[in-house]
Amino acid sequence: GEDVEQSLFLSVREGDSSVINCTYTDSSSTYLYWYKQEPGAGLQLLTYIFSNMDMKQDQRLTVLLNKKDKHLSLRIADTQTGDSAIYFCAGELIFGAGTRLAVHP
Amino acid sequence: DTGVSQNPRHKITKRGQNVTFRCDPISEHNRLYWYRQTLGQGPEFLTYFQNEAQLEKSRLLSDRFSAERPKGSFSTLEIQRTEQGDSAMYLCASSLKGGYGYTFGSGTRLTVV
Repeated sequence: GEDVEQSLFLSVREGDSSVINCTYTDSSSTYLYWYKQEPGAGLQLLTYIFSNMDMKQDQRLTVLLNKKDKHLSLRIADTQTGDSAIYFCAGELIFGAGTRLAVHP
Repeated sequence: DTGVSQNPRHKITKRGQNVTFRCDPISEHNRLYWYRQTLGQGPEFLTYFQNEAQLEKSRLLSDRFSAERPKGSFSTLEIQRTEQGDSAMYLCASSLKGGYGYTFGSGTRLTVV
């Protein structure tokens, strides 16, 4: 069946770049998404990329898509403590288990 | 519009009881989704509607679970004969048709004792 896999944890120093990776099996999704969940809060759509694009940039966020390898990544430039959260990769219906990003001084 | 609204926020029930949750989506969104999330996991897809039509159901959705969206606006999710394994956060989301991502509600936390 369809599956989305992510590494579970990432720790970065404040001011560094964070890269969160995701692999997926379903190639029929027209869009791929990144959501953010802060502690005790609901999921919030962060950004998305159309499946025929290979890159999308939105302020500090850069999404890279490699369709051949079915690999999606989210890069956060100049990571801040407020970026500490769980980040979920998702296709049209299926979500990954989430990557917990911890930002330390 | 205040976003996606879910009620109740919390529900504690005894094993074997039936429970019903309600979701009010963003008014112009024609798609509505139900997910279940347990601690340390991502949202698990349960079912979704386009307007009043239920278009897809997960194999996770046993016959104890039923969802409705009678007039294409709000939706209800009912769990019959609850089991301890049903304890989770039940999330509702809505979207415009295709490609805009979801807006999630705050969820209903179910505890089965």
